[in-house]
Amino acid sequence: EVQLVESGGGLVQPGGSLRLSCVASGFTLSNYWMTWVRQAPGKGLEWVANIKQDGSTKYYVDSVKGRFTISRDNAKNSVFLQMDSLGAEDTAVYYCARGIATATSYWGQGTLVTVSS
Amino acid sequence: QSVLTQPPSVSAAPGQKVTISCSGSSSNIGNNHVSWYEQFPGTAPKLLIFDNNKRPSGIPDRFSGSKSGTSATLAITGLQTGDEADYYCGAWDNSLSALLFGGGTKLTVL
Repeated sequence: EVQLVESGGGLVQPGGSLRLSCVASGFTLSNYWMTWVRQAPGKGLEWVANIKQDGSTKYYVDSVKGRFTISRDNAKNSVFLQMDSLGAEDTAVYYCARGIATATSYWGQGTLVTVSS
Repeated sequence: QSVLTQPPSVSAAPGQKVTISCSGSSSNIGNNHVSWYEQFPGTAPKLLIFDNNKRPSGIPDRFSGSKSGTSATLAITGLQTGDEADYYCGAWDNSLSALLFGGGTKLTVL
């Protein structure tokens, strides 16, 4: 059974850091682009970043460039999102997704990040 | 950064057909595939349509997608109360090198 399980969310103060993890099971992670998408409370979906199968290519939304870093460890079936210099605007549920616009698309259930003092 | 435009809400009666539009530009919809996602409150989104008009396994043929120029449309026929959800379009933007989502459309089945 395919599973994506996100973790690492929580309450953090403005200016702080968090590292989100997404552990994959039931499929070969190295075969897929992986994506992080976030959704602020009561708002729509916002793509955050994605990473190629071998980690050689990464893309970011402008609002997180220089602050967030996406990475992966295929041997450990994991994808990560390092988030630094967090602000209130980063408060959201963060979803990890496989093949976001392909026939084999699959999303995790998300992890909540709250940035507040 | 969202430059894909969707109507905030649509509604129709059970059994009827509804369409949801998604308008973009030549840098996104005009030159890339469109995907559509369904999201129920408190749950993760699910892919309904990819490559403009293809359905992943398990998605009923009541859901269909089309694209013309810089716009795309999701159609849902035989509406059911269980279709009440938020629907999002998505497309890659070549100028921004970013994946864009529309603002989302809330479907109400009256």
